[in-house]
Amino acid sequence: LAKTTQPISMDSYEGQEVNITCSHNNIATNDYITWYQQFPSQGPRFIIQGYKTKVTNEVASLFIPADRKSSTLSLPRVSLSDTAVYYCLVGKYNNNDMRFGAGTRLTVKP
Amino acid sequence: DAEITQSPRHKITETGRQVTLACHQTWNHNNMFWYRQDLGHGLRLIHYSYGVQDTNKGEVSDGYSVSRSNTEDLPLTLESAASSQTSVYFCASSEGTLLSDEQYFGPGTRLTVT
Repeated sequence: LAKTTQPISMDSYEGQEVNITCSHNNIATNDYITWYQQFPSQGPRFIIQGYKTKVTNEVASLFIPADRKSSTLSLPRVSLSDTAVYYCLVGKYNNNDMRFGAGTRLTVKP
Repeated sequence: DAEITQSPRHKITETGRQVTLACHQTWNHNNMFWYRQDLGHGLRLIHYSYGVQDTNKGEVSDGYSVSRSNTEDLPLTLESAASSQTSVYFCASSEGTLLSDEQYFGPGTRLTVT
């Protein structure tokens, strides 16, 4: 099982860069790493996905070291609207071993 | 625009009753999923389907069933509701051949079993 471990909560201030690290020591060869964002009373929303090295899109970057036992979601210049729970997800096709981590509650302060 | 909807949004039922939660997507996605979310547990996978007539058990499938008779719908049935099934339920769908492909989530159904 590719269990994931994340910090329970993090605080930041507007304009800062936030890095959230997810540990997945048992990641398998075919597993991808995916991050989701969830606001209260809403379903999760896809942020970014990667397999190795670095992936960047318009909202975030994902850094994955060579051993793939961890990954770091980087949110540049956060705003109050980035306050949410962030989930790290590790899994692969055709397997019910798709697990969301417990999530990291990010609070952005003014 | 394509979307994924869930109904009802809120439901209160009594212990022992059968309850069905609806999930409908217009993305024409092959893959559909049901999760439950409880405080302290994040999201846990209940059942999933890779296409019509295909269903699979997830991490917490006991007490739940699903059926997939068409591409658009994956209803979740609680055969005999229990208080432990009080939760928020999310349906999701994804397009591709990878379970790890981006999943689109519905707005959720808050179920209370009294």
